Amino acid sequence: AQSVTQLGSHVSVSEGALVLLRCNYSSSVPPYLFWYVQYPNQGLQLLLKYTTGATLVKGINGFEAEFKKSETSFHLTKPSAHMSDAAEYFCAVSDVTSGTYKYIFGTGTRLKVLA
Amino acid sequence: KAGVTQTPRYLIKTRGQQVTLSCSPISGHRSVSWYQQTPGQGLQFLFEYFSETQRNKGNFPGRFSGRQFSNSRSEMNVSTLELGDSALYLCASSFGTGNTEAFFGQGTRLTVV
Repeated sequence: AQSVTQLGSHVSVSEGALVLLRCNYSSSVPPYLFWYVQYPNQGLQLLLKYTTGATLVKGINGFEAEFKKSETSFHLTKPSAHMSDAAEYFCAVSDVTSGTYKYIFGTGTRLKVLA
Repeated sequence: KAGVTQTPRYLIKTRGQQVTLSCSPISGHRSVSWYQQTPGQGLQFLFEYFSETQRNKGNFPGRFSGRQFSNSRSEMNVSTLELGDSALYLCASSFGTGNTEAFFGQGTRLTVV
């Protein structure tokens, strides 16, 4: 069965500092991996996705993530945090090879950006 | 293009009642999935519909049901509401084939009192 683990339910960084949100996955088949962001009282917005190909994935708002098969990780980074980055971030895995298109989400990491 | 539209945005119901939530996917998308989000359980998959057929179902009781219409719009129904059903219900649409991502609506906040 597939699963996703997000380390750290809360992360605080100073404005301008590096953002690093951790995600490890478990999958018996090549995974499709996603990062979503959720602002208060909103739905989920896709930041970036990994399906196949290049292991360094660039997303919106300056975020990127690197797929590391050997470490089963897909950590999200941003070189310089902005106040507007404060939100909750979810890592998700999907096994679309079985045709189910079911996402398994991590428990989320709430990012706080300090002025 | 228009995004995923969920109606209503907010809903208050009494225990024992039933509720129907609606989701209009992005034009051209044939897959609609539903998720329940609560502080305690996080985001949990309810079910997915593709071309009017339920393709997958999560571990929820039979009180939770759904359907999809020929225009890909979807509804989910919860009968005999319990306090624990209070949650944000999110709908996601995708093409449903290949390596395409899901796009989420803003959700329906259901409060059961």
